[in-house]
Amino acid sequence: NAGVTQTPKFRILKIGQSMTLQCTQDMNHNYMYWYRQDPGMGLKLIYYSVGAGITDKGEVPNGYNVSRSTTEDFPLRLELAAPSQTSVYFCASSSGGGTNYGYTFGSGTRLTVV
Amino acid sequence: LAKTTQPISMDSYEGQEVNITCSHNNIATNDYITWYQQFPSQGPRFIIQGYKTKVTNEVASLFIPADRKSSTLSLPRVSLSDTAVYYCLVGEAGDYKLSFGAGTTVTVRA
Repeated sequence: NAGVTQTPKFRILKIGQSMTLQCTQDMNHNYMYWYRQDPGMGLKLIYYSVGAGITDKGEVPNGYNVSRSTTEDFPLRLELAAPSQTSVYFCASSSGGGTNYGYTFGSGTRLTVV
Repeated sequence: LAKTTQPISMDSYEGQEVNITCSHNNIATNDYITWYQQFPSQGPRFIIQGYKTKVTNEVASLFIPADRKSSTLSLPRVSLSDTAVYYCLVGEAGDYKLSFGAGTTVTVRA
């Protein structure tokens, strides 16, 4: 049982480049989330999804896009990379929505924009 | 979401008990209290959750007083491997727009 799998683990982008961060879960969870974590800080919600075909913005959505075509996959797209997007990105999933459902996190993608 | 306040950092030694208190004065009736643990270079991991009184599992205990305006995460007999950031979150079912604050960095020394 792999849980939440994120790829790649590390990536260096040049300013203006685009990339997709992949996230897959095998727990049949309806709820999925993308967070970013800047050095020494907590996690901020970028986007979330409550099921296939349904996504919505979190606290810091600017510069990102998501899609949810299947229950398992929730990719995060960066269209025009900027240095401010240098961060560690975490994907998470849960069986229900809310703090009374434990979130399962992936191991993260460390992104550097130069 | 209820606002939470927790210490920025705490130091301890191996074998000691560590207690981290989280304040949440505006907690609502339907809110649960959840704690996560994050090791360096890893995503957060759910460790314990409660609504009132005391909850215990194999990792930690969670103490919640009757007024529920604070909660205390207790880590018994810590080891070096308990060095991590601990996050307190408060919210109800459906509060899935969660953002984690800076948390409490616990450093365990030999």
